[in-house]
Formats: sequence, C-alpha cells, structure tokens
Amino acid sequence: KNEVEQSPQNLTAQEGEFITINCSYSVGISALHWLQQHPGGGIVSLFMLSSGKKKHGRLIATINIQEKHSSLHITASHPRDSAVYICAVRANGNQFYFGTGTSLTVIP
Amino acid sequence: DTAVSQTPKYLVTQMGNDKSIKCEQNLGHDTMYWYKQDSKKFLKIMFSYNNKELIINETVPNRFSPKSPDKAHLNLHINSLELGDSAVYFCASSQDQQAFYGYTFGSGTRLTVV
Repeated sequence: KNEVEQSPQNLTAQEGEFITINCSYSVGISALHWLQQHPGGGIVSLFMLSSGKKKHGRLIATINIQEKHSSLHITASHPRDSAVYICAVRANGNQFYFGTGTSLTVIP
Repeated sequence: DTAVSQTPKYLVTQMGNDKSIKCEQNLGHDTMYWYKQDSKKFLKIMFSYNNKELIINETVPNRFSPKSPDKAHLNLHINSLELGDSAVYFCASSQDQQAFYGYTFGSGTRLTVV
C-alpha cells in the first residue's frame, strides 16, 4: 500500500466545473506538496502546505493534519487545466512519498 | 532566463554504457534533487543535496552516483546502464530544504536504454 493515495485516478470535467482532487497519506509529515505535470511532461510546483489553506488564482489547496488529508480544488475549470496532478509528502524522517497522480481532462 | 536546466533532453544508449546527466540552476537555491519517473508516470526521489552536501539518498542502485561540484550544479552519473534504467529523470531545486516556496523542475531527460 502506497503511503500516499490520491483519488480519483482519472477525472473528466466540463469546462467551468468545480473540481476536487483528494490526497490521503499514512505517515507523519512536515509538508505536503501539490505538483502539476503538463501533457508535455513539464512539472510545476503548485503549493506547499503544512497547515490550513492556500489559494493561487483559481486553485485552492487545503490540508487537515489530524485527518492526514489534503484536497486540491480548481474553480471554473478550463481546458488548460488538463494535466496530471501529483500529491507529494515530506515525511518527518525526511523521506519523500508521491501519489500516483490524478489525470484531469477538461472538455470545452 | 532563471531556471533549472538539464542536459541532454534525450539520451539513447546501449546496455552496459556509462552516461551522465547534467543539471544547473541559476536561481540561487541551496537544495537540489534528482527524481526518476518510470513508465507508469510514478515519481520517486533519488537524491537531494543541500549546499553540496548529500542529505537524501534513497534506495537506488549504487550504479547511480550524484555529484555536486557547487550548489548550482547536481550531476547524475550512471554506470553499467540496464534496461530498467529507462525512465525520465527530473532535476529540481528549492530555496532550502523546507521548500516553503515549492520546487522548480527541469524539463526532464528521457533516458532510453536499448
């Protein structure tokens, strides 16, 4: 069983829909990261969370440390949001664990 | 341009060869990383250096040897390449070990071992 589980694995949405991607982890962490991998392969760091909530444009990320759970929300989704979203955690022992990614397709 | 640049972008080589992938960042970051993404798109960290000092050394074959001549460079040398080494290798950097501002990734090196 992976230390980081993401759901759903695949997600198709209509343009304009509100999207939620979930990440659950089983280890104590010092930080959680959300990454975005574009269809061309490039990876962009979206958020680093250690508590609470962060917002950047149409993207919102939340974390609940007690429940070991984080969510990434995309408001007013757009086809350019189509990508793979990866949840990664830095465990307290300095190990890194990655989710298997959520492949998002937004249809115009 | 400020960035993390890695070379080459593509590398095709025969089994048993030795090859290197270079990575440079001009962001003034202290911490650099090597990640491997396999054919199933699963990312895994391999190494991390902070100010030229190795801080993360995950379970990878000792055929993989990172070298950091200075904090702006982290190269990956691979000896005796095997078919299973075929993957995309990403270099990344962060301001410090805490990565409060996240990571900046290179564009990846697609290694194909034939």
